[in-house]
Amino acid sequence: GQSLEQPSEVTAVEGAIVQINCTYQTSGFYGLSWYQQHDGGAPTFLSYNALDGLEETGRFSSFLSRSDSYGYLLLQELQMKDSASYFCAVLYNFNKFYFGSGTKLNVKP
Amino acid sequence: ETGVTQTPRHLVMGMTNKKSLKCEQHLGHNAMYWYKQSAKKPLELMFVYSLEERVENNSVPSRFSPECPNSSHLFLHLHTLQPEDSALYLCASSQPGDTNNEQFFGPGTRLTVL
Repeated sequence: GQSLEQPSEVTAVEGAIVQINCTYQTSGFYGLSWYQQHDGGAPTFLSYNALDGLEETGRFSSFLSRSDSYGYLLLQELQMKDSASYFCAVLYNFNKFYFGSGTKLNVKP
Repeated sequence: ETGVTQTPRHLVMGMTNKKSLKCEQHLGHNAMYWYKQSAKKPLELMFVYSLEERVENNSVPSRFSPECPNSSHLFLHLHTLQPEDSALYLCASSQPGDTNNEQFFGPGTRLTVL
């Protein structure tokens, strides 16, 4: 089976840096994705890591360590609009994802 | 229209009703998915269709019945639902094997079962 753990809630101030961790246990592993979901909205894709290391896309970066079954999403220069829920998801089969419970990020002025 | 669309956006139904949710993708993808999102729970994968064949049925009760008539359309037929089935039902599509394996989600159908 699959399991994912990520913190339920994180609070940070505008301009700060925040890291959201994700640990996983899975019977198969192709890669780790991150999605953002604003209240009332659909999840939108942020990043995908298939190999170990850091991937940077603008203010957001994602890291993967397959040997540790661990990844994180790093958000820099936080803005109010970054307040949302962030989900890590494991691609455990060719076209099947398992999602974590989500981390609610609160950005305060 | 572009992306992934879902209708209706909101649905209220009684436990004895039969209704259908519709999803349409205009992205040329080969895989389509149904997810259930309940409050404070992870997105639960319900069904996966790849090239119009069902490749995953994640222990979903038979009161949920998917249908994929072609690679652009996906339906979820609902009958004799329970109040605990009230949730946001999200449809997604992807092109398996793409570099990022990105899933594109529709806006969802907010379902309330009375």
